Amino acid sequence: DAGVIQSPRHEVTEMGQEVTLRCKPISGHDYLFWYRQTMMRGLELLIYFNNNVPIDDSGMPEDRFSAKMPNASFSTLKIQPSEPRDSAVYFCASSSRTVSTDTQYFGPGTRLTVL
Amino acid sequence: RKEVEQDPGPFNVPEGATVAFNCTYSNSASQSFFWYRQDCRKEPKLLMSVYSSGNEDGRFTAQLNRASQYISLLIRDSKLSDSATYLCVVLMIKAAGNKLTFGGGTRVLVKP
Repeated sequence: DAGVIQSPRHEVTEMGQEVTLRCKPISGHDYLFWYRQTMMRGLELLIYFNNNVPIDDSGMPEDRFSAKMPNASFSTLKIQPSEPRDSAVYFCASSSRTVSTDTQYFGPGTRLTVL
Repeated sequence: RKEVEQDPGPFNVPEGATVAFNCTYSNSASQSFFWYRQDCRKEPKLLMSVYSSGNEDGRFTAQLNRASQYISLLIRDSKLSDSATYLCVVLMIKAAGNKLTFGGGTRVLVKP
C-alpha cells in the first residue's frame, strides 16, 4: 500500500497568493483529517471528513481556509489569501471505522512557507 | 489551560537507561488515549494505545491514571533509535463529533 500521499512536499509562496494542498488517503479509509503543525502551537486538527462529508471544521482558523473532499480518494486544503503566519507543516491523515479504535495514518506532510 | 499537556523536554537519556514521562489531560470525559512517535521532520506514527489496566509492548510500557488524569510512557533499555518526540493523544467527545487532541510532545534524546 502506498500510504497517504500528499503534494506538494514543499511550497514556498508570497503573501497574498492562493495555496492548494492535496491529499490522497489510503484506499478504503473512510475518515480523512487535515492537521497543521508549528513549533508554537504543536499539532492542531483543522478539519475532518467521514465518507467525504465534513464532520468537524471547528479547527479551521478563519475564512481564508477551506477544505473539500469531492470523492473518497482526494481532498484539498486551500488557503486564500495566504499570510506569513500560515507557514507550517500541514499533515493529512486517514483512518477507517471509528476514530477511537483505529490508527490514524499520516502522510509525509507539506511544508509551507509564506514569505 | 491546554487540553493535553506534556513536558517538552528534552530528556537526555544515556543509552541503556530507563526514561519515563507523563502527559496530563483536562477533560475527565476523555475516552481513549494513545502515544504517537514523531521523528525529526517526519510524520507522527502510532506507537501504542493506552489501556486502563496499563499495557506493555516490548521495552515500552504505558499507564493510565484516570483519577489524576494523566498517562505515562516508560522506555526501558533505551536505544539510540528511540530518540524522537513522543506525542500524547487523547480522544475527546465533542458535540460536533469525536476529536483527537495532540499534546505538544516530549522530546527524548538518547546518547551513547
